[in-house]
Amino acid sequence: SQTIHQWPATLVQPVGSPLSLECTVEGTSNPNLYWYRQAAGRGLQLLFYSVGIGQISSEVPQNLSASRPQDRQFILSSKKLLLSDSGFYLCAWGQGGLADTQYFGPGTRLTVL
Amino acid sequence: GDSVTQMEGPVTLSEEACLTINCTYTATGYPSLFWYVQYPGEGLQLLLKATKADDKGSNKGFEATYRKETTSFHLEKGSVQVSDSAVYFCALSDLPDGSQGNLIFGKGTKLSVKP
Repeated sequence: SQTIHQWPATLVQPVGSPLSLECTVEGTSNPNLYWYRQAAGRGLQLLFYSVGIGQISSEVPQNLSASRPQDRQFILSSKKLLLSDSGFYLCAWGQGGLADTQYFGPGTRLTVL
Repeated sequence: GDSVTQMEGPVTLSEEACLTINCTYTATGYPSLFWYVQYPGEGLQLLLKATKADDKGSNKGFEATYRKETTSFHLEKGSVQVSDSAVYFCALSDLPDGSQGNLIFGKGTKLSVKP
């Protein structure tokens, strides 16, 4: 069966520090991978999606970036965090198709102070 | 652009009460519609889905019908349980040309069920 892992579960970082969140998927190949963010009082917002190794599409201009160095690995990064980067970050995978069902990881709670 | 609007929470109900969480959408094409649930301390899980007008999705006693004429996908359950306490997200898949499709979510509605 397929599983998706995210770490860390929680993170507290100072403003201006770098960020690296990792997501890995097991039990499937060539998945579509997604990063979402839920800021306080707002809905989930798609940040990046990837349909293959090295292929990244950005939905929202920001100081975050994403990379996909391996088929089932998706990394969210920042060189300098802002206060507004605080939120709940979710990684998801899917295989595409008509219904586009996506499966989500447990999430990372990021607090920038 | 495409968007999803769902009722503000929190919603507090007694066990065995009826539940309705309203969800409406705007979309230029023919989206698929979803309800996701996030139980305390867990990640999002797909609860149910509908891919075309008049389809009814159902799971765990929850139902939602894809209404194109009213652009709605309200979540309903006849008798809630304490274990249904969670945050519920309505979502649509925009399926733009040339992509695999991406989910657009509402803000979420927190449901608390009291014994």
